[in-house]
Formats: sequence, C-alpha cells, structure tokens
Amino acid sequence: GAGVSQSPSNKVTEKGKDVELRCDPISGHTALYWYRQRLGQGLEFLIYFQGNSAPDKSGLPSDRFSAERTGESVSTLTIQRTQQEDSAVYLCASSVNKEKLFFGSGTQLSVL
Amino acid sequence: QQPVQSPQAVILREGEDAVINCSSSKALYSVHWYRQKHGEAPVFLMILLKGGEQKGHDKISASFNEKKQQSSLYLTASQLSYSGTYFCGTEDSGTYKYIFGTGTRLKVLA
Repeated sequence: GAGVSQSPSNKVTEKGKDVELRCDPISGHTALYWYRQRLGQGLEFLIYFQGNSAPDKSGLPSDRFSAERTGESVSTLTIQRTQQEDSAVYLCASSVNKEKLFFGSGTQLSVL
Repeated sequence: QQPVQSPQAVILREGEDAVINCSSSKALYSVHWYRQKHGEAPVFLMILLKGGEQKGHDKISASFNEKKQQSSLYLTASQLSYSGTYFCGTEDSGTYKYIFGTGTRLKVLA
C-alpha cells in the first residue's frame, strides 16, 4: 500500500475485555515496530519484528500483551483483559533498513 | 534508558531560531529526528549516521557528536508549520529496540 495502515483508528472497550489492533506495513518493509504513546507523553517501545520473528519482546508491558506477524506483512497486537492504564494511542511503524521509520496514524484505545 | 532531550518545551515567535538537544547515556551509532504534529503520527526529518555529520533540509539542520553521545537539531527562521513535538531516535545499542528521546514541544506563534 501507499503507507502504513492501522485499524481500527479508534477503539472503545470495557475493562477486562480483549482487543486486537492491526497494522498493515508498507509492502516490502521487513522491519515492523509497535509503540505506545500515552496522552502528552513520548513513544514507548513495545516490540520489534524482523520478518516474522520478534527477537526482542522485552518492551511488552505485561503478559497481557502479545503480538504476532504473519507472512512478513500484517501484524496484530493483542491486549487481553484490558485495564484503564492501557488507554493510549498505539502506533505501528515499518522500515526497510531501520534508517527511516514510516508510521501509521495509530489506534486510539480507550478502556472504560 | 531513553535519550534525554532539552529543552522540554519552547515557545518561539515566527522568524526566531531554536536548538533542540538530544543526549544519550549510551553510545550513539546513528541519530534520527522526527516531528509529530498534534494528533498525527511522527514524520521522519533526517538521519545522521556518523560522528561529525551535519545535515540540513530547508531551514532545519542537525549535527551529531558521537564522542559526546549528543545530537542537536537547529531550526532557523521558524515558521508556524514547525510547531509540534520533536523526537530524536536511535537504536538502543546491544538490543533490537529502536527508542525515542523524551521529546521537545515546540510552539511557533505568529
């Protein structure tokens, strides 16, 4: 596609429910990143994929968070048993060679 | 440990200059700069790959001091469109993480 696509753009959920956030990177970009950005804060690294492999999962905040990537394209970030502190914008970025990251517009997650 | 940026926030009048600093406690092998406008995703500005490198784009330029583990972003003759939050970014050495600095909020007033 022309850019990194994320869906949904907004998600409102109830505390305790599971959510799935999707990222469609730019075609041919082997590197894919997930970040969390709380209101007025910086970019918190969550996970990095090189191809389908995630060599570093240490940024995931808890075991309620998981991510996968299939076919070197689409990635899904899943948050189980959501908590209010999970409310944030979740940004996905992709890159060819880590020299320039292209970001999607993000998913605004609100946990009530 | 994420790079620390200074200042945290700055307000300018159109036409004024600003300098944003990015300082790391770990070795920096490359530095990227991004700008994020309110409610939007970060957008890449430039990358510096080696110490001593300086780059410029329009009236925005940057330098990279590898020895001091620092980079600076220079905005000259600022325009209203420069408003936003600026982040430096780098690969966290020894890990696979790509991390961002603490951010600098810049507001340009007419």
